[in-house]
Amino acid sequence: NAGVMQNPRHLVRRRGQEARLRCSPMKGHSHVYWYRQLPEEGLKFMVYLQKENIIDESGMPKERFSAEFPKEGPSILRIQQVVRGDSAAYFCASSNQGQGLYGYTFGSGTRLTVV
Amino acid sequence: KNEVEQSPQNLTAQEGEFITINCSYSVGISALHWLQQHPGGGIVSLFMLSSGKKKHGRLIATINIQEKHSSLHITASHPRDSAVYICAVLEGTSGSRLTFGEGTQLTVNP
Repeated sequence: NAGVMQNPRHLVRRRGQEARLRCSPMKGHSHVYWYRQLPEEGLKFMVYLQKENIIDESGMPKERFSAEFPKEGPSILRIQQVVRGDSAAYFCASSNQGQGLYGYTFGSGTRLTVV
Repeated sequence: KNEVEQSPQNLTAQEGEFITINCSYSVGISALHWLQQHPGGGIVSLFMLSSGKKKHGRLIATINIQEKHSSLHITASHPRDSAVYICAVLEGTSGSRLTFGEGTQLTVNP
């Protein structure tokens, strides 16, 4: 059981490019959460997904950001036309129940740098 | 004012000292988490609490629901405990996401 796998660990993109961040939840977990940690700031919720459904995207920026969790394969956080302000660590967590009432498992994060 | 406040922001201790990190929150919650984050590393979930007290090794977490306050204690601290400790709450109404404190940077010197 490899836990929550995020890749890549580090991603460098030029302004205007697209960034794709992947998260494979823990085996048996069907709930995925994405969080962002801006430099020198705390973690902030972005989006909560179940397989093929977005449950809560109230933390997602209105433009350029999207997330999916298809029936097969990892969850993807996609950032189009990246800007310097998107540079941050993006963490994924998974749980086997909604609301994480039985706890969350976090991935190691993807550190995005926009140059 | 943040919904989740931690204190202190930074804490330096000598090896062997007893350490306390505090967390206060202003919203109704269904659970509270304590997380550990090492530099450049991922996040590890230490405890999830909805009442009372939990202990794991040298770590103890307590919560007082009436006072909306939780504490994380580390007994016999060690340099390997140096990390950022983060308090996060699962709000009772939204239910689906964690709201995080700003974290406490702990440094334990040998």
